[in-house]
Order: sequence, then structure tokens, then C-alpha cells
Amino acid sequence: GEDVEQSLFLSVREGDSSVINCTYTDSSSTYLYWYKQEPGAGLQLLTYIFSNMDMKQDQRLTVLLNKKDKHLSLRIADTQTGDSAIYFCAAWGSNYQLIWGAGTKLIIKP
Amino acid sequence: DTAVSQTPKYLVTQMGNDKSIKCEQNLGHDTMYWYKQDSKKFLKIMFSYNNKELIINETVPNRFSPKSPDKAHLNLHINSLELGDSAVYFCASSGTGGRNTGELFFGEGSRLTVL
Repeated sequence: GEDVEQSLFLSVREGDSSVINCTYTDSSSTYLYWYKQEPGAGLQLLTYIFSNMDMKQDQRLTVLLNKKDKHLSLRIADTQTGDSAIYFCAAWGSNYQLIWGAGTKLIIKP
Repeated sequence: DTAVSQTPKYLVTQMGNDKSIKCEQNLGHDTMYWYKQDSKKFLKIMFSYNNKELIINETVPNRFSPKSPDKAHLNLHINSLELGDSAVYFCASSGTGGRNTGELFFGEGSRLTVL
């Protein structure tokens, strides 16, 4: 079946760049997404990329999409304490159901 | 002017009880969802409603029954609560057509604790 995989934890120093990776098995999704969940809150869309793009940049965020390798990454430049959260990768599956990764918890070290 | 609101935010109850969680969205979206997030933060789709019609019903126990009185509301009723039902339940909505990107808008979650 369709699957989205991401590592569960990432620890970085404040000011460094964070790179969160995601792989998916099979997706005809027009868009691929990164959602952010802060403690005690719901998920919010952080950014997305159209499936015919390789890269999208939005201020400190850079999304890279490698369709050949089915790999999606999110780079956060100059990571701040406010970036501490769980980041979910997601894509639409063939049955119109959103397939979610397990979420990567980003831990910021001072 | 909260986009997706769900109540209650916290719910503590005994095993065997029946409880409901309500959800409302003011975004004019056609599709609403219920998700369950367990203690490891895994998200699992439970139900999806499009224009008041159920379009996804994942393999959840029939103790869980969604009800959608109109397309702006999707409530979740749970009968005979079990310990394993303890989780955070998220309501979400999404629109269709036009320049829509398929983004889901989530509520703040309802944390259910079954004792």
C-alpha cells in the first residue's frame, strides 16, 4: 500500500539549518505538504510544493522534491527555538485519502 | 472567528460511558474529517464527510459514529468508551476546486482520557 516515511527525531543547534526528510512509495498527488504541529495545538500547513516543481523557497524554508527517488525534504535555515515542533510530511493517495508520515520531532539545542 | 472549532478541548471520563465531540467550520468547505492522534503522535484518519455524505470510513469500531447535520458541522459520538480510546481527536476541513491546494485546516484537538 501507499506509505510515507520520515525519521521520528531531529536535534539541531539554534542557528544551524534543519533538514527533515521524507520518502513516499507511490503518489499521484498534485501537491505534497509539510505540516507543523506545535505542542498542544492542531496541525497547520507550513508549506507545500506542486508535483511538477523541484524546489520551492519561502523565506527560511526550502522544499526539495526528487520525484525519481520519491524523496521530499524540508530545510529550515537559521533554526530558532520557535521552530520546535513536530513536522509531518503528507501526500494525497490514489483513493483521495491523505497519506501522513509519522512526524519528525525537531529538538533545538541552545 | 476561529476557522475550525471543536468542543470540548478536554474530556475525562470513565470506561463504558458515552461521549460526543462537536466540530464546526466557518470556511465554507465541502469536506470534513475526524483524525485520531495517539500518544506517539501518529495520525489516523477515521472518517471523512463530503457534503454530508460519508466518503471514507476507515476500520474503526462501530462504537464510533460520525454525524453531520450540515456541511459546516461534523460531530463524533463514541459509545462504551474503552481505555484504548484515549487520544487526541482532531477535526479538519478542506475545500475543492479552483486554486484550492487541498490544504487541510485543523481544529485545536479534543484530548480524551478514559479512566
